[in-house]
Amino acid sequence: DTAVSQTPKYLVTQMGNDKSIKCEQNLGHDTMYWYKQDSKKFLKIMFSYNNKELIINETVPNRFSPKSPDKAHLNLHINSLELGDSAVYFCASSQGSGGGNEQFFGPGTRLTVL
Amino acid sequence: GENVEQHPSTLSVQEGDSAVIKCTYSDSASNYFPWYKQELGKRPQLIIDIRSNVGEKKDQRIAVTLNKTAKHFSLHITETQPEDSAVYFCAARPRGNTNAGKSTFGDGTTLTVKP
Repeated sequence: DTAVSQTPKYLVTQMGNDKSIKCEQNLGHDTMYWYKQDSKKFLKIMFSYNNKELIINETVPNRFSPKSPDKAHLNLHINSLELGDSAVYFCASSQGSGGGNEQFFGPGTRLTVL
Repeated sequence: GENVEQHPSTLSVQEGDSAVIKCTYSDSASNYFPWYKQELGKRPQLIIDIRSNVGEKKDQRIAVTLNKTAKHFSLHITETQPEDSAVYFCAARPRGNTNAGKSTFGDGTTLTVKP
């Protein structure tokens, strides 16, 4: 069974469109995250939810809106896509939100904005 | 906030040699330091981690050392093999509820092991 899964794996879309990426974890973890990995491979945290509550919200354009319907799911909706949004987006989860909790990453969603 | 610097950005070694990657952090509240390996086109995966109450940890060919006073930690890979070729990331996470859950990652080191 896949521990952290994301859909879709690839997403190619035009500038200005709205798209969503879904993430699910079956590990029973309390905390979920979204990371962005750009073309230089830099890995930056975007959001974190603990028990469906937003606990980390980095300096991310408000075109990005996370939603956590339950502890096992964290979705990312992006409005008015721009060229600079092209990246690989990773979802991750951990047992808790504090230090010492290993993060498990999903397979990533490669978003290409044309 | 936390700032993590990682060096070198690229590292090329011969098979069988050792590889060392170094990271420094700025926030003394950080107490958990994981290392991730990311193979081409794959997800980052934890390979080893260390907590601030420990100075060194070893797992087969991989070891991590932590110097809390100097705020730096290092990854050591011995007897490198071609399958060790990947991008390696260090990270630092704070204790308690301050910025809870927020891992700050280094910029990554691309390790190439030549057969």
